[in-house]
Amino acid sequence: EPEVTQTPSHQVTQMGQEVILRCVPISNHLYFYWYRQILGQKVEFLVSFYNNEISEKSEIFDDQFSVERPDGSNFTLKIRSTKLEDSAMYFCASSLLIGGDGELFFGEGSRLTVL
Amino acid sequence: QQQVKQSPQSLIVQKGGISIINCAYENTAFDYFPWYQQFPGKGPALLIAIRPDVSEKKEGRFTISFNKSAKQFSLHIMDSQPGDSATYFCAALASGGGADGLTFGKGTHLIIQP
Repeated sequence: EPEVTQTPSHQVTQMGQEVILRCVPISNHLYFYWYRQILGQKVEFLVSFYNNEISEKSEIFDDQFSVERPDGSNFTLKIRSTKLEDSAMYFCASSLLIGGDGELFFGEGSRLTVL
Repeated sequence: QQQVKQSPQSLIVQKGGISIINCAYENTAFDYFPWYQQFPGKGPALLIAIRPDVSEKKEGRFTISFNKSAKQFSLHIMDSQPGDSATYFCAALASGGGADGLTFGKGTHLIIQP
């Protein structure tokens, strides 16, 4: 069964450092997303991406965050200068169709720990 | 208004029993209501979803009940099994409003005791 894969599974970084989280969405999917989950809390939407541009972003997704699809397969989330409160599990997701018409498939997540 | 309120926070059910998790919302633009199941160390996985044009949807042992006037929806797990032990999230989306991002509830940690 096709799946969304994410790397790294866990990254530890110092506050102020740049972090890049990588995702390989399901190959025929057109819509890509990043969500985050702070430990023990709910999953929160960060950003959606379609046709090589951001489609929607939440208030969490400030200027410190950026997304890119550098080639035909990878989808990355960059945090420019990490803060302690960025520590969370970051989930990549993809869907064939948008919104409620397309099932969202999540990866297993990348745990980011900012010290 | 964007919140989805989920209860209970945790739930213990005996094997074979019915597990019931409830969610409530305020935003009347929400028009898609999925439930996600998450096992430790894994990402959320879609379990079942409903749109407000129906009041109930059943898939195997899992049923969503939807009350549009009360702005509430619930997940029922019949004949609950130990393998159902996981965290369950309700979510909502205003897809008709052009939104892309799901709004999740805070999750329910379900334990099925053998």
